[in-house]
Amino acid sequence: DIVMTQSPDSLAVSLGERATINCKSSQSVLHSSNNKNFLTWYQQKPGQPPKMLFYWASTRESGVPDRFSGSGSGTDFTLTISSLQAEDVAVYYCQQYYSPPFTFGPGTNVDI
Amino acid sequence: EVQLLESGGGLVQPGGSLRLSCAASGFTFSSYAMKWVRRAPGKGLEWVSSITGGGDKTYYADSVKGRFTVSRDNSKNTLFLQLNSLRAEDTAEYYCAKGHSASPYSAMGVWGQGTAVTVSS
Repeated sequence: DIVMTQSPDSLAVSLGERATINCKSSQSVLHSSNNKNFLTWYQQKPGQPPKMLFYWASTRESGVPDRFSGSGSGTDFTLTISSLQAEDVAVYYCQQYYSPPFTFGPGTNVDI
Repeated sequence: EVQLLESGGGLVQPGGSLRLSCAASGFTFSSYAMKWVRRAPGKGLEWVSSITGGGDKTYYADSVKGRFTVSRDNSKNTLFLQLNSLRAEDTAEYYCAKGHSASPYSAMGVWGQGTAVTVSS
């Protein structure tokens, strides 16, 4: 099974400051067939279902503000919020869909 | 508008069974893989199961293999999850989600609001 880890577990960022979340997979999720990383990022706010932010590691989902960016390849990935807004308070998860079981990272709690 | 609506959750005793449903609308249901994900109280997200668009292939987390069964009725645009031999650790909010394609190897772009399952005596 591919183990997903995230760091930090939680972070507090001032409004307007940058937040950076790291995600690491225990094996590469870069598929040779299409040269894409089978990695996605989700945001979950309290009382709400998760919302996809990025797929293929860096393709922004429609409607996601451009202050969010996804990067990385292979085993190391990063989600960056360039200027944190109050509505960004949430738990952020990475997930691999390279091979079953399609494991999630443990989540990173972002607060102000 | 793409919508997913889960139902069927509730309180069940250990060892009991439940059947969750997810009614889909706003897209060609049979063209997309569907997934179930859960979040236990105080825990993170856990992928539970996936099924291909045609329903011919299914996948399960080790924690539920042999106890849970995913299926779909493409004529009724509905996804199911049969939960048997339930344990306290199955207590969670269960979400259905739509894949990006018919393949189970796809991200989850649309999620339902969830249905709560509580396993307790």
